[in-house]
Amino acid sequence: KNEVEQSPQNLTAQEGEFITINCSYSVGISALHWLQQHPGGGIVSLFMLSSGKKKHGRLIATINIQEKHSSLHITASHPRDSAVYICATMNYGGSQGNLIFGKGTKLSVKP
Amino acid sequence: EPEVTQTPSHQVTQMGQEVILRCVPISNHLYFYWYRQILGQKVEFLVSFYNNEISEKSEIFDDQFSVERPDGSNFTLKIRSTKLEDSAMYFCASRPGSYGYTFGSGTRLTVV
Repeated sequence: KNEVEQSPQNLTAQEGEFITINCSYSVGISALHWLQQHPGGGIVSLFMLSSGKKKHGRLIATINIQEKHSSLHITASHPRDSAVYICATMNYGGSQGNLIFGKGTKLSVKP
Repeated sequence: EPEVTQTPSHQVTQMGQEVILRCVPISNHLYFYWYRQILGQKVEFLVSFYNNEISEKSEIFDDQFSVERPDGSNFTLKIRSTKLEDSAMYFCASRPGSYGYTFGSGTRLTVV
């Protein structure tokens, strides 16, 4: 079974700072998701990655399949980025694309 | 943008009662899921549903739980004889195939 570890667990930043959240996993995967969970509880999908790098606005996600590691970067952070960021791994074969979740990184961006 | 809709947003029930959590997935999606998140813990997989049947279930998904897609649009999770430890946020999700997930906004279930 895949073990998904995230670091740090909590992160406080000043507005404008560059932020990095890390995710590592123990077995090979088909894809990795980065998700955002707001205080109300809803989950929004940010990225699905199987290789390389993706960018959307101020968010950048990278994955290194050989090292079983992914990072989520936020450039020019803003208080509205405050949320829990979760990585989750996915395998198509065997399982029906079920996600295995990390514990999340709680980000707080101060003005 | 298409959404996954979950109702109710919050449900309070007495221990031992049955609850039905409802979801309307995105219409052209093929795979449907229920996940749950106990307060302060990580999200856990419950069950996946494909081609009108359960395709995989976790150890959590025992005889107390059942899922149905009664009319081709709604996707329900039934929890029989609720226990205090069933209190959690329950998320429905769907995906079209090889692309990513869309999650509903969740149902917060409180068992008292």
